[in-house]
Amino acid sequence: DIQMTQSPSSLSASIGDRVTITCRASQDIRTYLAWFQQKPGKAPKSLIYGASNLQSGVPSKFSGSGSGTNFTLTISSLQPEDFATYYCQQYKSFPLTFGPGTKVDI
Amino acid sequence: EVQLAESGGDVIQPGGSLRLACAASAFTGSNNDMSWVRQAPGKGLEWVSVIVDGGRTYYADSVKGRFTISRDNSKNTLYLQMNSLRAEDTAVYYCVSRGGISGYFNYWGQGTLVTVSS
Repeated sequence: DIQMTQSPSSLSASIGDRVTITCRASQDIRTYLAWFQQKPGKAPKSLIYGASNLQSGVPSKFSGSGSGTNFTLTISSLQPEDFATYYCQQYKSFPLTFGPGTKVDI
Repeated sequence: EVQLAESGGDVIQPGGSLRLACAASAFTGSNNDMSWVRQAPGKGLEWVSVIVDGGRTYYADSVKGRFTISRDNSKNTLYLQMNSLRAEDTAVYYCVSRGGISGYFNYWGQGTLVTVSS
């Protein structure tokens, strides 16, 4: 199975900050990497697929990069609605696996 | 945009069975694969199962042999039959649609809560 790790596990940031979250895969997943945002009590929302492609309707302040085993999610200017937990996921092979999440709070 | 609505969550005793359903607004597009993902209280996301075009199914080791995923295309509905339920199956269960040729997750349902407790 492909193991996914994320760092940091949590971070505190301020409005307007640039935030970067790192995700690592235990083996090469090329660009079969997705990012999700989840707010408390809500379903996850798909943000990015293919490591760097924004899902429809996702604002351009979100960006993703990377390939192989190292990936990043960047939020260019943090806004109140961005405080949430972010998960990465590999979909190169079954079982699909998620990272443990990064909680972004104030 | 595909809209997904899960139902069937309940409180069930260990060893019991439950069937979840997920009604989709449409099974159309280049990829009709569907998946279940769960989230135990206060925990992260865990992939459970997927059904791909052609009917092939895949499962997480934690549910293999106990859970069965299926779909009824005439009703645009996805199912998850859960047998021999354990306390550790307690979670919110989400159905998720997959998009594109590569099968990335795109749309999520709102989730349904399954509680396994005596």
